[in-house]
Amino acid sequence: GAVVSQHPSRVICKSGTSVKIECRSLDFQATTMFWYRQFPKQSLMLMATSNEGSKATYEQGVEKDKFLINHASLTLSTLTVTSAHPEDSSFYICSASQGRPGTTQYFGPGTRLLVL
Amino acid sequence: AQSVSQHNHHVILSEAASLELGCNYSYGGTVNLFWYVQYPGQHLQLLLKYFSGDPLVKGIKGFEAEFIKSKFSFNLRKPSVQWSDTAEYFCAVNAGNNRKLIWGLGTSLAVNP
Repeated sequence: GAVVSQHPSRVICKSGTSVKIECRSLDFQATTMFWYRQFPKQSLMLMATSNEGSKATYEQGVEKDKFLINHASLTLSTLTVTSAHPEDSSFYICSASQGRPGTTQYFGPGTRLLVL
Repeated sequence: AQSVSQHNHHVILSEAASLELGCNYSYGGTVNLFWYVQYPGQHLQLLLKYFSGDPLVKGIKGFEAEFIKSKFSFNLRKPSVQWSDTAEYFCAVNAGNNRKLIWGLGTSLAVNP
């Protein structure tokens, strides 16, 4: 159980375009979803935390107008990278958890974004 | 500020060697502790976790970790590693009522056959 999927797994786009990444919890209801960015050979950097039906909470230094997060249902959260630039190229990972704070986060397989 | 430190950034072992990866955190209250593993080309998977109870936690694939509250530590161990254990290992802590995980920088483990 506790499977999280992400789509697409890879995306290449031109600079200035927007890219939407979906994160789905397949077999459980995720009250909270997290979006991370992972740089090569480094740990995860939390970008934002989203709770179903409410606005996302962004970490310091993360532009909320650039990285739009929507958590419209208990099984789906989306991250939209608006007006993407080459420096936004990265590996984006979502995770999902259910219930109260401190419960286990289950991770998606990640999305590799390359902005040309 | 809360932080998690993993002492070993790169570890190279031969098969059948014993493994211990250190993890220390800074937070004085109640914590939930996790070890995640990321095999090459794969996504993060939960290896084991500690919420309460027996401080010696057993996880998948023969891994275990011991929570020592007095030392603020949650070290990961495996008595005999295999080549397939080659991966990145991340320690993470959830403190108090916070939903966020605080991550260590990870340890890259390479096991030579």
